[in-house]
Amino acid sequence: DQQVKQNSPSLSVQEGRISILNCDYTNSMFDYFLWYKKYPAEGPTFLISISSIKDKNEDGRFTVFLNKSAKHLSLHIVPSQPGDSAVYFCAASAVFTQGGSEKLVFGKGMKLTVNP
Amino acid sequence: KAGVTQTPRYLIKTRGQQVTLSCSPISGHRSVSWYQQTPGQGLQFLFEYFSETQRNKGNFPGRFSGRQFSNSRSEMNVSTLELGDSALYLCASSLSVRGSETQYFGPGTRLLVL
Repeated sequence: DQQVKQNSPSLSVQEGRISILNCDYTNSMFDYFLWYKKYPAEGPTFLISISSIKDKNEDGRFTVFLNKSAKHLSLHIVPSQPGDSAVYFCAASAVFTQGGSEKLVFGKGMKLTVNP
Repeated sequence: KAGVTQTPRYLIKTRGQQVTLSCSPISGHRSVSWYQQTPGQGLQFLFEYFSETQRNKGNFPGRFSGRQFSNSRSEMNVSTLELGDSALYLCASSLSVRGSETQYFGPGTRLLVL
């Protein structure tokens, strides 16, 4: 049962345009959402996050939007740059009753290609 | 600060063998989580350790085990390797176990099982 879904495996955009990466989740207990970026041969690096009490968080060229009623979040990159080409993972966390600890649930990732 | 380090970076094993992977977290970080990444499956959570105790465990068979030492370094062991265990194994560290804490990932250990 995949609780965090990134339904599009890839996206290709032109440099300077907007990149929109989408993520859906099924568990209404999730209260914190993160985006990670991964280059080949490297581990994922944290990009931006959002708490469920917000609907938008912005950091430079990156903005994450959260729609709790739709259980949907998106990452906007404006303007897109060739260096943004990477695999992007959406992740969510919640307090699970088992063990009482929180853990991250990741989506399968989406490959973004920004063409010069 | 030095980042998360993982050793070895690459490993080739044969079916039936066992393997131990090592992870050194960022200094001061007490939580270490392990993930398996395979093509098309994203990052799947294996387990998390905090203060030498396993705090959470994903849906992996008992062949996958881990431990954490008093200096927060962690090891992951896979026994009786299967072809399907070929994957990138990622370790991540954070200050605490809270999901809102940023996790810092190592470069991973790429395991190939022949």
